[in-house]
Amino acid sequence: DGGITQSPKYLFRKEGQNVTLSCEQNLNHDAMYWYRQDPGQGLRLIYYSQIVNDFQKGDIAEGYSVSREKKESFPLTVTSAQKNPTAFYLCASSMGFPGELFFGEGSRLTVL
Amino acid sequence: GQQVMQIPQYQHVQEGEDFTTYCNSSTTLSNIQWYKQRPGGHPVFLIQLVKSGEVKKQKRLTFQFGEAKKNSSLHITATQTTDVGTYFCVSRWDSNYQLIWGAGTKLIIKP
Repeated sequence: DGGITQSPKYLFRKEGQNVTLSCEQNLNHDAMYWYRQDPGQGLRLIYYSQIVNDFQKGDIAEGYSVSREKKESFPLTVTSAQKNPTAFYLCASSMGFPGELFFGEGSRLTVL
Repeated sequence: GQQVMQIPQYQHVQEGEDFTTYCNSSTTLSNIQWYKQRPGGHPVFLIQLVKSGEVKKQKRLTFQFGEAKKNSSLHITATQTTDVGTYFCVSRWDSNYQLIWGAGTKLIIKP
């Protein structure tokens, strides 16, 4: 079945550590996105990529980094520079840009 | 930056009552999408509206796009427990390719 796979589902890290969240899609979509969601809030765009080897900052890119070396993969690194990283992270993809978004099940990051 | 206002933030209804959420923009939208997010889950696409005055129905859900393309609504008739979740509108302006998310309306069914 086609879809988006995020891993890990739950992640705990200590302050000062970098962590990388995986996002893989087999929908053959060109565009991929990373969103952050805080409890009771809407989604805020961290980074997006329209094509391989290209990506753009969203509204809250500080403290995050991404890469897009393959069409199907768009990993997100939460660096130690992100001051409040505890959140629910959602990866999405779309055929066009922008278009109907297909989401993964999300990764919950907790900083201890 | 450009924003879309979504109201109300929460709505408590008895099962069987109707539910409506609204999205408003001060500038003309290119299109609007609606998503539903169940508690603990991820957003799922419901529909996209593009044309001025467009109305689309999905069973008990009715979606409208305003004549001026500055507002939209989602109405659920006779709510059921399966409707519980947060409903988001997502907008795009012609001048900006990015999608802008509303804050969401959380539908709560009273026991």
